[in-house]
Amino acid sequence: DAGVTQSPTHLIKTRGQQVTLRCSPKSGHDTVSWYQQALGQGPQFIFQYYEEEERQRGNFPDRFSGHQFPNYSSELNVNALLLGDSALYLCASIISGRDEQYFGPGTRLTVT
Amino acid sequence: SQQGEEDPQALSIQEGENATMNCSYKTSINNLQWYRQNSGRGLVHLILIRSNEREKHSGRLRVTLDTSKKSSSLLITASRAADTASYFCATDKEDDYKLSFGAGTTVTVRA
Repeated sequence: DAGVTQSPTHLIKTRGQQVTLRCSPKSGHDTVSWYQQALGQGPQFIFQYYEEEERQRGNFPDRFSGHQFPNYSSELNVNALLLGDSALYLCASIISGRDEQYFGPGTRLTVT
Repeated sequence: SQQGEEDPQALSIQEGENATMNCSYKTSINNLQWYRQNSGRGLVHLILIRSNEREKHSGRLRVTLDTSKKSSSLLITASRAADTASYFCATDKEDDYKLSFGAGTTVTVRA
């Protein structure tokens, strides 16, 4: 049973560019959450997708957007990248109605 | 702002010793989960304790929850070098889908 997978593993972008990160949830999981983890900090909730809709959003600007596909996989898009967007981006998958959240290995984004 | 705060920020112990770390939070919760993170990689789910539970065990892990004090502790018994990692507590609230994390405790197990 494959766990949560994320791609790419690492990414380097320039300020002002746009980036798309991808996540495939665990088999049987229908809900995906995205988190941003800055160096030395705990993860911060960006948003959650369920049934292809954004169900809840954290305190992140509109530059952060997402999408969920019919197969439950998800994308995180960040526009107009800032240096402060450099972080580890984590995807978590959940079975709706259950409470355990299982995380992927993350994508390390560096903005120069 | 973060809901949970772990204490201590860092912990160094000898292999075979026990490691205890604490988590305090600010508002009422539905569940509290503990995660491990190795070298800035993904989070590994360790254990979930519900607000109506007081103690839970999983292998060498023991978690307690005191909702009156809004605190939890994670005990790792007979530590091994492989336990070297950062440990995070995360809480969720009723009708709220997000996990709120603390800044973590960094544990170093010396051989």
